[in-house]
Amino acid sequence: AQTVTQSQPEMSVQEAETVTLSCTYDTSESDYYLFWYKQPPSRQMILVIRQEAYKQQNATENRFSVNFQKAAKSFSLKISDSQLGDAAMYFCAVESYQLIWGAGTKLIIKP
Amino acid sequence: DTGVSQNPRHKITKRGQNVTFRCDPISEHNRLYWYRQTLGQGPEFLTYFQNEAQLEKSRLLSDRFSAERPKGSFSTLEIQRTEQGDSAMYLCASSLAPRGGSVYGYTFGSGTRLTVV
Repeated sequence: AQTVTQSQPEMSVQEAETVTLSCTYDTSESDYYLFWYKQPPSRQMILVIRQEAYKQQNATENRFSVNFQKAAKSFSLKISDSQLGDAAMYFCAVESYQLIWGAGTKLIIKP
Repeated sequence: DTGVSQNPRHKITKRGQNVTFRCDPISEHNRLYWYRQTLGQGPEFLTYFQNEAQLEKSRLLSDRFSAERPKGSFSTLEIQRTEQGDSAMYLCASSLAPRGGSVYGYTFGSGTRLTVV
């Protein structure tokens, strides 16, 4: 069975600083995809970044980047130059035959 | 195409009543997913369709739940004899198969928040 663990229920960061959200997962599949999604309060789920497990290069998307450690089954999200609009729940998800989600990390941005 | 659309946004119903939600996916997407999300949790998979075929159903989807996608376009999720435990946000997402969607991943709707009183 696939599992996704986000060990940080809540994180806070000063505006303009950098924050890293952790995610570990377990899967027996060799081919899978990993995602970070953002869910602002009362708003829809938005894709932040996507990583194919067969790619060694870490995905980046503007201020968002991942540290993908396949052997350790770790997929952390780094947000640089944090902005007030980054405040949201962040979910890590893994998909091989089904998309499995972590419980989420609430990110608070302090002005 | 304005993305994935879900209706209604909110639904309050009395226990024991039936409710139906609708999802209109992105037209080019061939896969459509239903998830349930309770407060403070990540989404839980319910079921998904590839075109009009329902390919997988979660054990969470009891016999009170039924989903359809009759023409491979919009989908409906019906809950019969609602219970208070059904109160949750019901999310719909679409993607372009085979897996992981396009480089844009899954596209989610805004969800339907169900409250059973």
